[in-house]
Amino acid sequence: GQNIDQPTEMTATEGAIVQINCTYQTSGFNGLFWYQQHAGEAPTFLSYNVLDGLEEKGRFSSFLSRSKGYSYLLLKELQMKDSASYLCAVRDLTGRRALTFGSGTRLQVQP
Amino acid sequence: GAVVSQHPSWVICKSGTSVKIECRSLDFQATTMFWYRQFPKQSLMLMATSNEGSKATYEQGVEKDKFLINHASLTLSTLTVTSAHPEDSSFYICSARDLALTAQETQYFGPGTRLLVL
Repeated sequence: GQNIDQPTEMTATEGAIVQINCTYQTSGFNGLFWYQQHAGEAPTFLSYNVLDGLEEKGRFSSFLSRSKGYSYLLLKELQMKDSASYLCAVRDLTGRRALTFGSGTRLQVQP
Repeated sequence: GAVVSQHPSWVICKSGTSVKIECRSLDFQATTMFWYRQFPKQSLMLMATSNEGSKATYEQGVEKDKFLINHASLTLSTLTVTSAHPEDSSFYICSARDLALTAQETQYFGPGTRLLVL
């Protein structure tokens, strides 16, 4: 099975940097995803890591350490519109390649 | 990017009725679609994996006779909530995996369907 942990809530200031951590324990690992979800909307894809290291995409970066079962999402130059839930998800090794989601981290960006 | 649509976006129904939700991949083919359910302030929980031309695979605890899934084509999957009850009220989200071989094989999510059973 899969067990994914991330903080429930975080608060940060506009213009600052915030790091959202995710730890996972899985019986099989085939990639880790980060999604952004605004209230009442479907998740939108942010990043994907399958190998160790940092993936950078504009203001967003994601890091993975497979040996530690650890990932983080780094958001730079925070904007008010970044207030949302951030979901960490792990893909399994089965043929269906389904995603198991963490409970999500609600980020509140303050002026 | 890839687009997935869901219909309807909102549905209110009486207890005991059945509700059908459609999920379509608009600009790509998807042999596999996933159905998730999300309760308020909770994360997405996978309900079932829908495979084109074959039976869906349901997660433990999800009643297959209550949540009927049909994946008749490479671009359409439907979820029917049969004999809906108030506890079935939730946000139902589908996602589709692009058939094209890509390294990340991103799942693209539909906009979701909010179901309220009275």
